[in-house]
Amino acid sequence: GAGVSQSPRYKVAKRGQDVALRCDPISGHVSLFWYQQALGQGPEFLTYFQNEAQLDKSGLPSDRFFAERPEGSVSTLKIQRTQQEDSAVYLCASSDRGANYGYTFGSGTRLTVV
Amino acid sequence: QKEVEQNSGPLSVPEGAIASLNCTYSDRGSQSFFWYRQYSGKSPELIMSIYSNGDKEDGRFTAQLNKASQYVSLLIRDSQPSDSATYLCAVTGSNYKLTFGKGTLLTVNP
Repeated sequence: GAGVSQSPRYKVAKRGQDVALRCDPISGHVSLFWYQQALGQGPEFLTYFQNEAQLDKSGLPSDRFFAERPEGSVSTLKIQRTQQEDSAVYLCASSDRGANYGYTFGSGTRLTVV
Repeated sequence: QKEVEQNSGPLSVPEGAIASLNCTYSDRGSQSFFWYRQYSGKSPELIMSIYSNGDKEDGRFTAQLNKASQYVSLLIRDSQPSDSATYLCAVTGSNYKLTFGKGTLLTVNP
C-alpha cells in the first residue's frame, strides 16, 4: 500500500489480557518506529528498528512490552498482562531516510484496557 | 532529560487572522525541527520541517528557527476553520528519534 498500515484500529482488552498490534510499513522503508500517545499528550518514543534489527528499545515502559520485526518488514508490538495505564494510541511510522527528514505515521491503534 | 515545551492552549483566532505557535527545546544538539498537525482522532501529519536558522515558508505556513534561543515557531497566515487541530512540535538530535512536545490546540473561529 501507499502508506503505513496499522491493525486493528481499535482494541479493547480486559486487564491482564495479552494484545498484539500490527504495523505494515511503506514498502522498502528500512526504518520503523513505534510511539505511544496518551490522551492529551504528544507521542512518546517506544522503539526503533532498522530492517530486522531492534536498535533502540529504551522507550518501552516495562518488560511487558515487546516488539519484533523478524523479516525486516511487518512489525508487531506485543503487550503482555495489559494494565489500565497501557490505554493509549500506539503509532507506527516508517522512513527510508531517518528521522532527520521526518517520517510518516500510520493511523494508529487505539488500545483501551478495561 | 531532553524536553520540548509548547503552550498547550487552546489558542483561539478568528478566521483570516495569523496564528502563532511557539516551541522551545532543551537539547542544544538538536539538529532538525518539525511541525506536525493532528486532527482529533487522527494520526500526526508532517506539515513543516526546518533545519537552519531563519524562516522557511510553504504556502500559508512559515516556520521560524532560532538555535541560539532554542526556539522554533509556526505562523499560519489567513487562518481557516480547517486549520483547527493540535499542532505538535518535534525535534531530533540523533539520526532516528523524534522528541515531541505536548501540542498546542488551535481553534479558528468562522
